Amino acid sequence: EDKVVQSPLSLVVHEGDTVTLNCSYEVTNFRSLLWYKQEKKAPTFLFMLTSSGIEKKSGRLSSILDKKELFSILNITATQTGDSAIYLCAVVGGAQKLVFGQGTRLTINP
Amino acid sequence: DTAVSQTPKYLVTQMGNDKSIKCEQNLGHDTMYWYKQDSKKFLKIMFSYNNKELIINETVPNRFSPKSPDKAHLNLHINSLELGDSAVYFCASSQGNGAGNRQPQHFGDGTRLSIL
Repeated sequence: EDKVVQSPLSLVVHEGDTVTLNCSYEVTNFRSLLWYKQEKKAPTFLFMLTSSGIEKKSGRLSSILDKKELFSILNITATQTGDSAIYLCAVVGGAQKLVFGQGTRLTINP
Repeated sequence: DTAVSQTPKYLVTQMGNDKSIKCEQNLGHDTMYWYKQDSKKFLKIMFSYNNKELIINETVPNRFSPKSPDKAHLNLHINSLELGDSAVYFCASSQGNGAGNRQPQHFGDGTRLSIL
């Protein structure tokens, strides 16, 4: 069965710090890996990664995929209180459905 | 101009009742999904419809019945509600099945279902 494991489960840092969130996966016929940010309501899409070694970047957020070692990281630099959220990692495999990890709860203290 | 909208946002009801949650998307997507998010924030897929055809049906009690009258709507009906059904239910949509066409899924704001 496809599986996604995120770490850490919870992280508390100060504003301005840089954080790295981890996502490892086991999936049959890997197709893509996605990162979502969930604040109070809907998960909002951040990145979709399909190829190893190509960094996706959006402002202070960046992500990269390693298909050989079966993991991805999400980096956030110069964190702000608005970055506080649950970050969800999900993979799509041969079953053509999103399988989510348990999420990392990130708290940014002023 | 909400892209994926669910109603109601909150639903409080008693055990044994039957209830429905509605979902509509105005993104022109052809695939829609229902997810359940439990108290530990773990999101798990329940159903997926592509062009009104059921393509994913996870191990979900048959008290849960999705209905897709057209590509823009996917409703979820739940019979004989149980305490364990309390959760947040999210609707989502994508163009293609979220895999083959490499398109991400877009989520609604969720419906918080509380069973008394």
